[in-house]
Amino acid sequence: EAQVTQNPRYLITVTGKKLTVTCSQNMNHEYMSWYRQDPGLGLRQIYYSMNVEATDKGDVPEGYKVSRKEKRNFPLILESPSPNQTSLYFCASSLRTTGLAGDEQYFGPGTRLTVT
Amino acid sequence: AQTVTQSQPEMSVQEAETVTLSCTYDTSESDYYLFWYKQPPSRQMILVIRQEAYKQQNATENRFSVNFQKAAKSFSLKISDSQLGDAAMYFCAYRNYMEYGNKLVFGAGTILRVKS
Repeated sequence: EAQVTQNPRYLITVTGKKLTVTCSQNMNHEYMSWYRQDPGLGLRQIYYSMNVEATDKGDVPEGYKVSRKEKRNFPLILESPSPNQTSLYFCASSLRTTGLAGDEQYFGPGTRLTVT
Repeated sequence: AQTVTQSQPEMSVQEAETVTLSCTYDTSESDYYLFWYKQPPSRQMILVIRQEAYKQQNATENRFSVNFQKAAKSFSLKISDSQLGDAAMYFCAYRNYMEYGNKLVFGAGTILRVKS
């Protein structure tokens, strides 16, 4: 089944304890992206990747890191989480990076992160 | 400035009735895509309908249709014969490759409640 998976689905952690949220897609997609969802703000892009070893900042990159060593994986790293990073996180992928109509973005199931 | 605006934080509809969710956006581009996503309590992001700006015909998917007014930069979603399963958060999103690459720009969302 074609899908985007994220792990963990739920995570409660403490300030300053490094964590990684994994994202994997099995569709051979070039483009991958991370969004965070907050009440009243919708979803905002954190980082994106056009292909392996090609990553760039989105709208809200502060406090986050990413890597794209393999085409299928795009982990989100919080080196020193803070309470303002409490949010719902989504990974998304699409086949190409051209923005054409056929480039639907497929979303993962979301990760609910709470930082205390 | 906010690019995508959903002015209705919450809406209610009686089962079997019709409801319209509003969305306006701001752009100086002529070629772009607009989307409505549904987010049920499971938090999964589900693509409901898509509109390509260069197509004048309004998109339709079963009970879901849009009213796309390009000059007014308006993109409303009409849900006919509302069902209990339509209860969810609905997000309007915009994508223009020249402005934002493959990024989706989301509105703040509208919570739709369906009364039985």
